[in-house]
Amino acid sequence: EAGVVQSPRYKIIEKKQPVAFWCNPISGHNTLYWYRQNLGQGPELLIRYENEEAVDDSQLPKDRFSAERLKGVDSTLKIQPAELGDSAVYLCASSSVTGVTIYFGEGSWLTVV
Amino acid sequence: EDKVVQSPLSLVVHEGDTVTLNCSYEVTNFRSLLWYKQEKKAPTFLFMLTSSGIEKKSGRLSSILDKKELFSILNITATQTGDSAVYLCAVGSNDMRFGAGTRLTVKP
Repeated sequence: EAGVVQSPRYKIIEKKQPVAFWCNPISGHNTLYWYRQNLGQGPELLIRYENEEAVDDSQLPKDRFSAERLKGVDSTLKIQPAELGDSAVYLCASSSVTGVTIYFGEGSWLTVV
Repeated sequence: EDKVVQSPLSLVVHEGDTVTLNCSYEVTNFRSLLWYKQEKKAPTFLFMLTSSGIEKKSGRLSSILDKKELFSILNITATQTGDSAVYLCAVGSNDMRFGAGTRLTVKP
């Protein structure tokens, strides 16, 4: 069974440029999460989807971050414009029922210079 | 405010040692506590705990939850260099909150 797939794996951009990350969750998983992980810290939830509905986006910096999950499967996370402080690993994860085991993708490592 | 605190933040041991990692929590809604191992990539799932006093075991790793005292421990016996990683604890219900992790280094 394929796991959570993310792309790109690595991205280096200049500040003020836009960037987008893509995620394909495990087949059949209705819940999709985007986390941000800074160096030396645990993952921090940005947004959680139940099917195509964003049910928790309280930690998403909405002035520059946006996300969508069309058709309740794949999801994209966009940052525009990027700032130096956005450098982090962006992890996508999915689960079959909210609150049980969460499976992570490999992460998208973003460096803003 | 929900919080998950892991201790120690880092730990250096030698192969063959036994280690105990701690995770204490205060969350509004509890459904489960999850342990993950993170090497230089995404966290990989180790255990899910929902009930107090029931030990989960997988090889040299084991974990137990105390819902009364609001903590969990992860034990690793006979450590190997391959156990070197960051171990993350996540707690909650719909919104799983992660601790900062414990960085374990196992020296040969």
